[in-house]
Amino acid sequence: AQTVTQSQPEMSVQEAETVTLSCTYDTSESDYYLFWYKQPPSRQMILVIRQEAYKQQNATENRFSVNFQKAAKSFSLKISDSQLGDAAMYFCAYRSYSGGGADGLTFGKGTHLIIQP
Amino acid sequence: DAGITQSPRHKVTETGTPVTLRCHQTENHRYMYWYRQDPGHGLRLIHYSYGVKDTDKGEVSDGYSVSRSKTEDFLLTLESATSSQTSVYFCAIREGNLREAFFGQGTRLTVV
Repeated sequence: AQTVTQSQPEMSVQEAETVTLSCTYDTSESDYYLFWYKQPPSRQMILVIRQEAYKQQNATENRFSVNFQKAAKSFSLKISDSQLGDAAMYFCAYRSYSGGGADGLTFGKGTHLIIQP
Repeated sequence: DAGITQSPRHKVTETGTPVTLRCHQTENHRYMYWYRQDPGHGLRLIHYSYGVKDTDKGEVSDGYSVSRSKTEDFLLTLESATSSQTSVYFCAIREGNLREAFFGQGTRLTVV
């Protein structure tokens, strides 16, 4: 079974600065997907960014980018120019490519991101 | 919005009573999932469905059952609720192997 580890229960950053959230995972598979989800106080789960393991290029979405290190099984999220609206719980998640496509997500325990004004 | 609705949004029930949570989608997506979220655990998969009447167990399926008689509806049933099932429950939908999952707004269930 796959496992996802987020070693930082809480992070704090000044507004407008850059912060990196860590995620490592354990798998024996070669094809899979990795995701970062954001959960603000509203409780809604919002997709931030997605990475396919077969792609070497790191995914980027505006101020959000990832550092995907497949050999090290590491998938960190960098948030540039942090904004107050970025304050939330962030979850790293893994999904297998196999299993007929039905596989659900395996989540880490989350990192609570605090933005200091 | 991904066209996914959970009901009820909040529920308080007594230990030993049956409870059914509903997930309804308007996207005609093939895959549907139920997760629970507990402090210190992130989200964990309870059950999932890959088509009408096609379901399978996830990581934490004990004490739960599901049904999917129509593409748009995925029901999660707690046959006899226990206090350990107090949690926030999320439904998610997905279409296609390359696609991400979209989540409902969650149901907060309290078993007293």
